[in-house]
Amino acid sequence: DGGITQSPKYLFRKEGQNVTLSCEQNLNHDAMYWYRQDPGQGLRLIYYSQIVNDFQKGDIAEGYSVSREKKESFPLTVTSAQKNPTAFYLCASSTGDRDVSPLHFGNGTRLTVT
Amino acid sequence: SQQGEEDPQALSIQEGENATMNCSYKTSINNLQWYRQNSGRGLVHLILIRSNEREKHSGRLRVTLDTSKKSSSLLITASRAADTASYFCATRMNGANNLFFGTGTRLTVIP
Repeated sequence: DGGITQSPKYLFRKEGQNVTLSCEQNLNHDAMYWYRQDPGQGLRLIYYSQIVNDFQKGDIAEGYSVSREKKESFPLTVTSAQKNPTAFYLCASSTGDRDVSPLHFGNGTRLTVT
Repeated sequence: SQQGEEDPQALSIQEGENATMNCSYKTSINNLQWYRQNSGRGLVHLILIRSNEREKHSGRLRVTLDTSKKSSSLLITASRAADTASYFCATRMNGANNLFFGTGTRLTVIP
């Protein structure tokens, strides 16, 4: 089955540590996205990538970094510079045809930093 | 911000009733999309309506778009307990590469 896999489902880290969230897709989609979701709020865009080896900052990129070395993979690193890292992180992909293509989401990673 | 706002924030209905959720946004769009999210899961795409369309149907879902009022509505007919979820609208501006999501409506369907 084609889809997006995020791992792990739950992640716990101590404050001051960097942590990397995995996102893999086998949909052959060009575009990939990282969103953050906090309770009672909508999704906020962290980073997105339209093609391999290229990515752009979203609305809340500070304290985060990404790479896009392969079409299938778009890992997100939450650095110690992110002030409030505890959140639900969602990865998505699309064909890149922005006029008609919906987003396909993974099932998220819930990160807790203490 | 382009972010949409859904109304109401929460809605509770009996099984079999219709549920209507509204979305308002701020700037011109290329398309508007509705997504569903079950608790603790990712979002699932429901329907996309383009800026030159006024109404679209998919099964028990009916979406309308009024670009003059910058608003959209999602109607779920004959609701079921399994429709219990949060529903989000998302807008794509002309020329933009990403979607802007609203804050969601939490729907509870009571069996």
